[in-house]
Amino acid sequence: QVQLKESGPGLVQPSQTLSLTCTVSGFSLTSYNVHWVRQPTGKGLEWMGVIWTGGSTDYNSALKSRLSISRDTSKSQVFLKMNSLQTEDIATYYCARGRFGVPFDYWGQGVMVTVSS
Amino acid sequence: DIQMTQSPASLSASLGETVTIECRASEDIYNGLAWYQQKPGKSPQLLIYNANSLHTGVPSRFSGSGSGTQYSLKINSLQSEDVASYFCQQYYDYWTFGGGTKLELK
Repeated sequence: QVQLKESGPGLVQPSQTLSLTCTVSGFSLTSYNVHWVRQPTGKGLEWMGVIWTGGSTDYNSALKSRLSISRDTSKSQVFLKMNSLQTEDIATYYCARGRFGVPFDYWGQGVMVTVSS
Repeated sequence: DIQMTQSPASLSASLGETVTIECRASEDIYNGLAWYQQKPGKSPQLLIYNANSLHTGVPSRFSGSGSGTQYSLKINSLQSEDVASYFCQQYYDYWTFGGGTKLELK
């Protein structure tokens, strides 16, 4: 069955880089896009970026200068790296599956990230 | 960038009641509109896509409507398990979420 699972450190120091991994199963990264979405506690959802089936990427313009998404198709993994983390980046980070012109039909469980020294 | 304005931000309703949540896009999104339900501590779950199509396994008491820039989600005969937050999302031009509606029982 389709599954996505985020992993990574729950605590990042201010100004440091966040590195998260989304491990997928039940589908191929060459057939479905994978998005990253974040949600501050008690607040709304923010689309961060996507890696397309062909490996190209698109980013939220507000995060573009700090964000990088990549993948390893052989390991069915998608990676998020975001630098210069601040307290405003405290949130639960989700990866989700999508296709062009279709919304996100499967989501990971999310990983909570705190920024603190 | 397309902006999504969702209302109300919170809503209190009784069991069995009909509830409507609205979402307005800053420009025409040509029915590229989805609704998600999110229960506390859980990830969002897709309810409606293409503005009015029910996702697999979603109860028929949920329905979506609208066109152009105005869309709505209706829940008929509210059940206790419907207590959650609801988010709209446009996927016509990249992806943008509405601010969310927290639905509670009265």
